[in-house]
Amino acid sequence: GENVEQHPSTLSVQEGDSAVIKCTYSDSASNYFPWYKQELGKGPQLIIDIRSNVGEKKDQRIAVTLNKTAKHFSLHITETQPEDSAVYFCAASLNTGNQFYFGTGTSLTVIP
Amino acid sequence: DGGITQSPKYLFRKEGQNVTLSCEQNLNHDAMYWYRQDPGQGLRLIYYSQIVNDFQKGDIAEGYSVSREKKESFPLTVTSAQKNPTAFYLCASSQQRDGSPLHFGNGTRLTVT
Repeated sequence: GENVEQHPSTLSVQEGDSAVIKCTYSDSASNYFPWYKQELGKGPQLIIDIRSNVGEKKDQRIAVTLNKTAKHFSLHITETQPEDSAVYFCAASLNTGNQFYFGTGTSLTVIP
Repeated sequence: DGGITQSPKYLFRKEGQNVTLSCEQNLNHDAMYWYRQDPGQGLRLIYYSQIVNDFQKGDIAEGYSVSREKKESFPLTVTSAQKNPTAFYLCASSQQRDGSPLHFGNGTRLTVT
């Protein structure tokens, strides 16, 4: 089955700096890659996603890149703010059954 | 507002008791899911349902049961057979199209003592 690995598990950055979180996946059939942000005591919220026919997608301060050949994708947050502090999860979805496979999460702390 | 409602937010039970977690969605989504979240382990799939009256086991289904009698509802029962039931449980739903994201509820934290 699909295996998603996520690094780093914790990340601290100064406010205004950039943060990068990386994920790798094992199954080349995966074709949809969402990223979720989870605040304490809440459920994960979708922040950005990318499909396998696209190499990069950007939404204001957040961007995601996908390298299908290397089977890895990354989340980039620029000009970080304290409210960006949360746990971020990457996921990969196979073409059938709409099942999702999650990374183990990255706890991001933005230091004011 | 459309969304997923999980109740209760906190649940306490004694060991040996079954407990049912509620999940309701008004997004008109066909697929619904239950995940378990433990510190440092990400989200693990317990059960999922793609259509009413049908559901499949996920990676960690042992000790859990579900039903899907209505499109809007997908309750999860944590049975006494679950060896380590204390966890944060998340319900999610999605449309039945490839590349449709999961929409999550705000979770139920179950503590069994």
